[in-house]
Amino acid sequence: KNEVEQSPQNLTAQEGEFITINCSYSVGISALHWLQQHPGGGIVSLFMLSSGKKKHGRLSATINIQEKHSSLHITASHPRDSAVYICAVSQTSGSRLTFGEGTQLTVNP
Amino acid sequence: DTGVSQDPRHKITKRGQNVTFRCDPISEHNRLYWYRQTLGQGPEFLTYFQNEAQLEKSRLLSDRFSAERPKGSFSTLEIQRTEQGDSAMYLCASSSYRGANVLTFGAGSRLTVL
Repeated sequence: KNEVEQSPQNLTAQEGEFITINCSYSVGISALHWLQQHPGGGIVSLFMLSSGKKKHGRLSATINIQEKHSSLHITASHPRDSAVYICAVSQTSGSRLTFGEGTQLTVNP
Repeated sequence: DTGVSQDPRHKITKRGQNVTFRCDPISEHNRLYWYRQTLGQGPEFLTYFQNEAQLEKSRLLSDRFSAERPKGSFSTLEIQRTEQGDSAMYLCASSSYRGANVLTFGAGSRLTVL
């Protein structure tokens, strides 16, 4: 069993739909990261969470430390949101990230 | 500073050859990470530096892989005697000890071993 698991693996939505991507982890963490990766390899950090909720524009993320679970939400989805969304955790401060396998999101116009 | 730079972006080599990748992190970032990503998979940790010290190295990394960060600034990742299984995207990321430790990734160096 992977230490970081994401669901779903693939998600297809229509433009305007509300999107939720889930991440569960089985280890103690100091922080959880949500990353976005577009075709061609570039990875962008969206959020880093250690508790509670963060929001930036149409994107938001929550984390429940007790349940070892985090969700990434996209409101009013748009085709340009199509990308792979990756959840990753830091097990100790400053150390390496352990990545989930990613969720491929496709938003159709 | 325009972010994390990696060079070369693409490298095609024959099996058995040595290759070296370079990463220039954001200048004020003292932490530097190397990851490897194969198609359809999430990135896999290779090694981590804090300043010039290599603090962690993946057990998955064979002796053919070596990384350095001699002055605590840029880093190099060398793969000796490349094998076809080394074909992957090699990603570098950096972060700062201070503040939120948000990672910034480079665009990656894609290696193809023929």
